[in-house]
Amino acid sequence: GEDVEQSLFLSVREGDSSVINCTYTDSSSTYLYWYKQEPGAGLQLLTYIFSNMDMKQDQRLTVLLNKKDKHLSLRIADTQTGDSAIYFCAERWGSQGNLIFGKGTKLSVKP
Amino acid sequence: DAGVTQSPTHLIKTRGQHVTLRCSPISGHKSVSWYQQVLGQGPQFIFQYYEKEERGRGNFPDRFSARQFPNYSSELNVNALLLGDSALYLCASSLGGQGETQYFGPGTRLLVL
Repeated sequence: GEDVEQSLFLSVREGDSSVINCTYTDSSSTYLYWYKQEPGAGLQLLTYIFSNMDMKQDQRLTVLLNKKDKHLSLRIADTQTGDSAIYFCAERWGSQGNLIFGKGTKLSVKP
Repeated sequence: DAGVTQSPTHLIKTRGQHVTLRCSPISGHKSVSWYQQVLGQGPQFIFQYYEKEERGRGNFPDRFSARQFPNYSSELNVNALLLGDSALYLCASSLGGQGETQYFGPGTRLLVL
């Protein structure tokens, strides 16, 4: 079955880069997403990547996709305290395109 | 433009009761999906609707049902509430093509006592 796995915690210092990793299992996934969730809030779409791409950059965010290893990463450059949140990796699954989420990585940014 | 809106924001119910959660999609979006997020977990897919028709259903019991209205808003209904139904219920809207990017609302936090 489908499954998305992420490490649960990451702690970095303000100004450093953060790298959040994710592995997925459905090789037929067409799109992979990164969402951010702040405490008590819904999910904010950060970025997404199409499965025929290796990399996508959007301002401070860089997404790397290794389709052979089914590995996705999100790099946040110059991490700020406002980046502290839970980050979810999700793959689009099935013909309907519903999302399969990982359990989320809690990013803590220390000043 | 307003994003996805959901009501109510918070709700407290007791076991056995029924609940209705509401969602209005982004203007122009024709598809609505519902997800359940239990504390400490990622969201889990419940339903997807497009043009008032159910297009997908996750692994949830028949106590969960939903519908979509002509204005593309949607309701999620849960009957015979259990303690384990306590969660954040998220609604997401998309333009409507299969697999379009989904944009989430703030969620409804349901507590079942």
